[in-house]
Amino acid sequence: GAVVSQHPSRVICKSGTSVKIECRSLDFQATTMFWYRQFPKKSLMLMATSNEGSKATYEQGVEKDKFLINHASLTLSTLTVTSAHPEDSSFYICSAPTGAGANVLTFGAGSRLTVL
Amino acid sequence: GQNIDQPTEMTATEGAIVQINCTYQTSGFNGLFWYQQHAGEAPTFLSYNVLDGLEEKGRFSSFLSRSKGYSYLLLKELQMKDSASYLCAVRVPSGYSTLTFGKGTMLLVSP
Repeated sequence: GAVVSQHPSRVICKSGTSVKIECRSLDFQATTMFWYRQFPKKSLMLMATSNEGSKATYEQGVEKDKFLINHASLTLSTLTVTSAHPEDSSFYICSAPTGAGANVLTFGAGSRLTVL
Repeated sequence: GQNIDQPTEMTATEGAIVQINCTYQTSGFNGLFWYQQHAGEAPTFLSYNVLDGLEEKGRFSSFLSRSKGYSYLLLKELQMKDSASYLCAVRVPSGYSTLTFGKGTMLLVSP
């Protein structure tokens, strides 16, 4: 089946630095990818929709200048957390529509970000 | 806005049957999904309902009633590995296949 590869799985950084998370669709093309964020014991919250060849669409309350999204190709989307702060520590998960009619979201393994 | 409710926690014993309920109030409806998520891992797809009725897939079944805004996930012959969070998600009509997730139900299966 379709596989979404996400890297890195874990990252620890100092406050004020930037971190890039990559999301790749393996063996299929994804014109659209979705970035979610999940706090401990909380639900997945959609941050933004990444569109190949155009600007990302951000959900209300998500700072687009802080969470930079680039959909460089049909198989790669990146999320860069700029000037990270401890409150940005979270589990970030990307996903892509897959299957017949793109009905199902297939998720990457997630990236655990810890900002010191 | 979108509102999806499911119980926070449930416990059950190995070999038993458990039903996890989900109610939703959304601006439109284009399918209901159930995902399983183990701690620290990404969600994995379990089932999809877009029409009323029961969808069965091995030990897992999912039911949908659109008129009631209600779904349930039924897990039979519970195994220890079924201990996980179960997420109910609704897709609303839009230009994208985005899903809105409930908070998840943490299921603990004990021996």
